[in-house]
Amino acid sequence: AQTVTQSQPEMSVQEAETVTLSCTYDTSENNYYLFWYKQPPSRQMILVIRQEAYKQQNATENRFSVNFQKAAKSFSLKISDSQLGDTAMYFCAFMKHDRVMRFGAGTRLTVKP
Amino acid sequence: GAVVSQHPSRVICKSGTSVKIECRSLDFQATTMFWYRQFPKKSLMLMATSNEGSKATYEQGVEKDKFLINHASLTLSTLTVTSAHPEDSSFYICSATGANTGELFFGEGSRLTVL
Repeated sequence: AQTVTQSQPEMSVQEAETVTLSCTYDTSENNYYLFWYKQPPSRQMILVIRQEAYKQQNATENRFSVNFQKAAKSFSLKISDSQLGDTAMYFCAFMKHDRVMRFGAGTRLTVKP
Repeated sequence: GAVVSQHPSRVICKSGTSVKIECRSLDFQATTMFWYRQFPKKSLMLMATSNEGSKATYEQGVEKDKFLINHASLTLSTLTVTSAHPEDSSFYICSATGANTGELFFGEGSRLTVL
């Protein structure tokens, strides 16, 4: 079974600074997808960024980028120029071909003014 | 992106009654839908996977007679919490995916409170 581990229950960062959220996973699969989701107080799950395992290039979406290390099974999220609106729970997720998505425990990020 | 809608967003019921939560894909055909449960300040725990026209596949530890899942059409799945008890109070989230897509689309979630 696949497991996703987020070892940072809480993180904080000053506005405009950069923060990195950690995620590791365990799988015997070779082809899969990795995601970072943001969950604000509204509880709506918002896709931040996605990475296909077969792609070596790290995904980037504006201020959000990932460091995908397939051999190490690591998938960290870097948020640059942090904004107050980035305050939320962040979940790392793993999905294989059957589209069953499994989540890490989450990291609560607080951006301080 | 694709839209998935859940209804109701909030529901309060008395202990012993049954509650139905709907999950609809509004602009695509959802071949597979998933139901998650989320406790306060916790992660999303997968309850079951449902494919259109088939019986749902439940995760270990999830009571299939307690949480009835129906996926009778390509745009609608329902979760019925039968004989609800206070410990069933939680946030329930559905997600859906269509054919040939590597992404899940999430509903807004439904908060169930059992008195």
